[in-house]
Amino acid sequence: GEDVEQSLFLSVREGDSSVINCTYTDSSSTYLYWYKQEPGAGLQLLTYIFSNMDMKQDQRLTVLLNKKDKHLSLRIADTQTGDSAIYFCAESIQGGKLIFGQGTELSVKP
Amino acid sequence: GAVVSQHPSWVICKSGTSVKIECRSLDFQATTMFWYRQFPKQSLMLMATSNEGSKATYEQGVEKDKFLINHASLTLSTLTVTSAHPEDSSFYICSARSELAGVYEQYFGPGTRLTVT
Repeated sequence: GEDVEQSLFLSVREGDSSVINCTYTDSSSTYLYWYKQEPGAGLQLLTYIFSNMDMKQDQRLTVLLNKKDKHLSLRIADTQTGDSAIYFCAESIQGGKLIFGQGTELSVKP
Repeated sequence: GAVVSQHPSWVICKSGTSVKIECRSLDFQATTMFWYRQFPKQSLMLMATSNEGSKATYEQGVEKDKFLINHASLTLSTLTVTSAHPEDSSFYICSARSELAGVYEQYFGPGTRLTVT
């Protein structure tokens, strides 16, 4: 079945770059998404990438997609304390459903 | 744009009672909405797909008689937890799917924290 894997924790210093990695299994996924969740809140869509793209950049966010290896990454440049949150990657499957990874808890230390 | 609201944001109910949670897309129409459940420190688990004007499609292992879903209009879906028990306590999140220029995006509500005592 479909599966999405992420590392659980990442700790960086303020100002450094953060790279959150994700692997997925469904090669037919059309879109891959990155969401941010702050404590007690819903999910905020950060960015997405279409499966025929290799890279997408949006301000401090860069998404890299290696479709051959089914590997997705999110790079946050100049990470700030306000970026501390849980980041979920998700792949879209048939019917528009999203399969989420376990979430990566990003901790940004001043 | 693309705002999804949920009501209530939190609710405490007694075991055996029923609770209704509303999910609204405020500035777009959503023919498809999704309901998720999230346990502390865990990922989102898809419960069901809610389609406007038709029956919801439930994921394997989700009791349709326990979690009643109604998608009465293009901007409103409701989830009713019937005869709630403490094990139903969880964070319930809905999302609404928007299509713009052929691109599908899912926007999530802020979630509803349900505590069953």
